[in-house]
Amino acid sequence: EDQVTQSPEALRLQEGESSSLNCSYTVSGLRGLFWYRQDPGKGPEFLFTLYSAGEEKEKERLKATLTKKESFLHITAPKPEDSATYLCAVQSGGSNYKLTFGKGTLLTVNP
Amino acid sequence: NAGVTQTPKFQVLKTGQSMTLQCAQDMNHNSMYWYRQDPGMGLRLIYYSASEGTTDKGEVPNGYNVSRLNKREFSLRLESAAPSQTSVYFCASRTGLAGGAGELFFGEGSRLTVL
Repeated sequence: EDQVTQSPEALRLQEGESSSLNCSYTVSGLRGLFWYRQDPGKGPEFLFTLYSAGEEKEKERLKATLTKKESFLHITAPKPEDSATYLCAVQSGGSNYKLTFGKGTLLTVNP
Repeated sequence: NAGVTQTPKFQVLKTGQSMTLQCAQDMNHNSMYWYRQDPGMGLRLIYYSASEGTTDKGEVPNGYNVSRLNKREFSLRLESAAPSQTSVYFCASRTGLAGGAGELFFGEGSRLTVL
């Protein structure tokens, strides 16, 4: 059974204070690892897909990296508008269609 | 371009009542999904439809039924609502192309309370 564990559950940063969110996973053959952002009262919004260890993706102040056991979402010089819940999900090689989600990290960036 | 549209956005039911959540996507996606999101539990898959004409159970299908009406629409029905079904329900779609992962596109959610 695929498993995804995200840490920390909540993270509070000051504006400009860089940090990282962690996503540890257990799958039987990784087909893809996904990062989503979810604002309060909204549906998750896709950020990145990573396919293989060593891969990196960047978007504005966010950078996602992948190893064989975990993924990191690095946030550089965050702004208050980066405050959201960040979700990690995996798709295993045994599933053409099913994604397994972690419980998310609630990020708060104070001005 | 509306993306994924869910109706209703809010609903209050009494135990034992039935209702249907509607979902439509305008992105010509093959696969559609229903998830529920509860505090401390994350997103859990209820049912999915890999393509028009097919549906399959996810992690938590008990108490629900689905219909893939056509390529655009995927509905979720609660036949006899229970308080344990109080949750936020998300519909999602993806291209579902063979051999590819593909990201999910989510609707804004339907907030259901069962009294």
